[in-house]
Amino acid sequence: EPEVTQTPSHQVTQMGQEVILRCVPISNHLYFYWYRQILGQKVEFLVSFYNNEISEKSEIFDDQFSVERPDGSNFTLKIRSTKLEDSAMYFCASSRLAGLTGELFFGEGSRLTVL
Amino acid sequence: AQSVTQPDIHITVSEGASLELRCNYSYGATPYLFWYVQSPGQGLQLLLKYFSGDTLVQGIKGFEAEFKRSQSSFNLRKPSVHWSDAAEYFCAVEVTGGGNKLTFGTGTQLKVEL
Repeated sequence: EPEVTQTPSHQVTQMGQEVILRCVPISNHLYFYWYRQILGQKVEFLVSFYNNEISEKSEIFDDQFSVERPDGSNFTLKIRSTKLEDSAMYFCASSRLAGLTGELFFGEGSRLTVL
Repeated sequence: AQSVTQPDIHITVSEGASLELRCNYSYGATPYLFWYVQSPGQGLQLLLKYFSGDTLVQGIKGFEAEFKRSQSSFNLRKPSVHWSDAAEYFCAVEVTGGGNKLTFGTGTQLKVEL
């Protein structure tokens, strides 16, 4: 069964460092998303991406964050200068269609710990 | 803005017992409603969803959920729990036409006693 894969599963970094989280969406999917979950809090929407551009982003997704689809298979989330409060589980998701017919498929998550 | 409340952080049930996980939402209109499950080391998996029509929705793994507009609730149920159901369960809503932008609850951790 096709699945969304994420790397790394866990990354520890120092505050101020750049981090890139990688995702390989399901191959025929066209819509890509990042969500995150701070420990003990809700899963929150960060950004959606379609046709090589951001469709929508939340207020969390500030200038320190960027997303990219550098090739036909990867979808990355970059945090330019990490802060302590960026420590969270980051989930990548993809869907073939948007809206009602577009079921989201989530990856296992990348846990980011900022020290 | 819409919000989702899952009042139970942890629930423990015995294997074979029935299960009900609560979810309440706050939104002006009827949103689209979802239940996801996350098993240890796994991603979020969709259990079921409600868009319109029959208010009792059947999902995978023997789960069902009932939408009650009067109570703004979308509770998840299973008549007989299996040990493999131990996981974290998330209720989520999507604003109509929200393009897969989901608002999640805080989750309910289910423990199953053998």
